[in-house]
Amino acid sequence: SAVISQKPSRDICQRGTSLTIQCQVDSQVTMMFWYRQQPGQSLTLIATANQGSEATYESGFVIDKFPISRPNLTFSTLTVSNMSPEDSSIYLCSAPVAGGYNEQFFGPGTRLTVL
Amino acid sequence: AQSVSQHNHHVILSEAASLELGCNYSYGGTVNLFWYVQYPGQHLQLLLKYFSGDPLVKGIKGFEAEFIKSKFSFNLRKPSVQWSDTAEYFCAVYGNNRLAFGKGNQVVVIP
Repeated sequence: SAVISQKPSRDICQRGTSLTIQCQVDSQVTMMFWYRQQPGQSLTLIATANQGSEATYESGFVIDKFPISRPNLTFSTLTVSNMSPEDSSIYLCSAPVAGGYNEQFFGPGTRLTVL
Repeated sequence: AQSVSQHNHHVILSEAASLELGCNYSYGGTVNLFWYVQYPGQHLQLLLKYFSGDPLVKGIKGFEAEFIKSKFSFNLRKPSVQWSDTAEYFCAVYGNNRLAFGKGNQVVVIP
């Protein structure tokens, strides 16, 4: 099983600022995924991050607002830019289980509060 | 695109009661189905999964789920819950290179 860590675990930010969330996997993975979990809601996929190529964004999410980096096979960052209170959510990263059938391991999440 | 429906978002049970959480999905292709659980303060973790074969799958901690293709359902069950089963439960379906999650069931087990 993979171990996924995220930093920071939580943060409180001011409106208009940006926050970069880091995700580290303890093994090499081709794809990493970023999700948002708004209060009382389900997990919504923001984007898929492949190493060596541009991230693929889901409908409703754009690169200017959520730029993603994927510099190597074990690491990715998600930036939440020009934040507003509506961005207050838990942000999670995930990676596929090696040899699994589309299973994913999830990180512990980053709880973001925007004032 | 695939979608997942979970009903009865808040469920409150006494210990030893039986639990059943409904999950209906829509997806036209071959389905991979999952139940994930998030205990208070912990990571989201896999409870059980279905890919093919026996439609009744067993997971960790005494949970099981039944895939009924004709009903597009993958309901989760546990015959006798414990206080430690207090958690949020998410049903998910994999398709189109992505996981789609339901809105979750917040289950509270009262000792």
